[in-house]
Amino acid sequence: QVQLQESGPGLVKPSETLSLICSVSGAFITNKIHHWGWIRQTPRKRLEWLGSLTSDGTSYITPSLEGRITLSADTSKNQLSLKLTSVTAADTAVYYCARHIDQRRVLFDVWGQGTVVTVSP
Amino acid sequence: AIQMTQSPPSFSASIGDTVTITCRASQGISNNLAWYQQKPGKAPTLLVYAASSLQSAIPSRFSGGGVGTDFTLTITSLQSDDFASYFCQQYYSSPYSFGQGTNLDI
Repeated sequence: QVQLQESGPGLVKPSETLSLICSVSGAFITNKIHHWGWIRQTPRKRLEWLGSLTSDGTSYITPSLEGRITLSADTSKNQLSLKLTSVTAADTAVYYCARHIDQRRVLFDVWGQGTVVTVSP
Repeated sequence: AIQMTQSPPSFSASIGDTVTITCRASQGISNNLAWYQQKPGKAPTLLVYAASSLQSAIPSRFSGGGVGTDFTLTITSLQSDDFASYFCQQYYSSPYSFGQGTNLDI
């Protein structure tokens, strides 16, 4: 079955760039049936959709993070990537990658286990 | 941006009870609403989409309803495995937003 696994640095200093990887198994990220999204959950448990990537590499981003976030894919490794610049304490969260249920609708039927990111000096 | 408001924020119930969680959208979203369950330390799991369609492998004691701005998730005959947090999410328009969650405690 489809599995997603996030990986990242755990701790990032303020003003630095956060880089996360999502490794996908059991499905090709280039398949035209699904898009792939990133969601984060704050320490207060609020969930926030960050952005999504289509099978052809086009990204669409939540407006509040436009200009700070870049989504991309490495099709040779079947991996997704998220880069978030100029991080602050407000970016401390659990970051999830997830599969869209289909290419038309932005809801998520398969999630990774999440990776904890703390922004601190 | 569409705001999603869940109520109640937390709820205590007993095994065998029937509970209903409410989600309200700040503007009409047709039936573009999903419900997720989340257990401590785990990722959310999709329960319901299109407001009332049950995701595969989800028990039939879960049901969703509503259209427009007001939605419900009902769990009948609560089992111990159902004590968790529940979130609604609208996928009508970007930014795709979640409710703040409802914690269901035993």
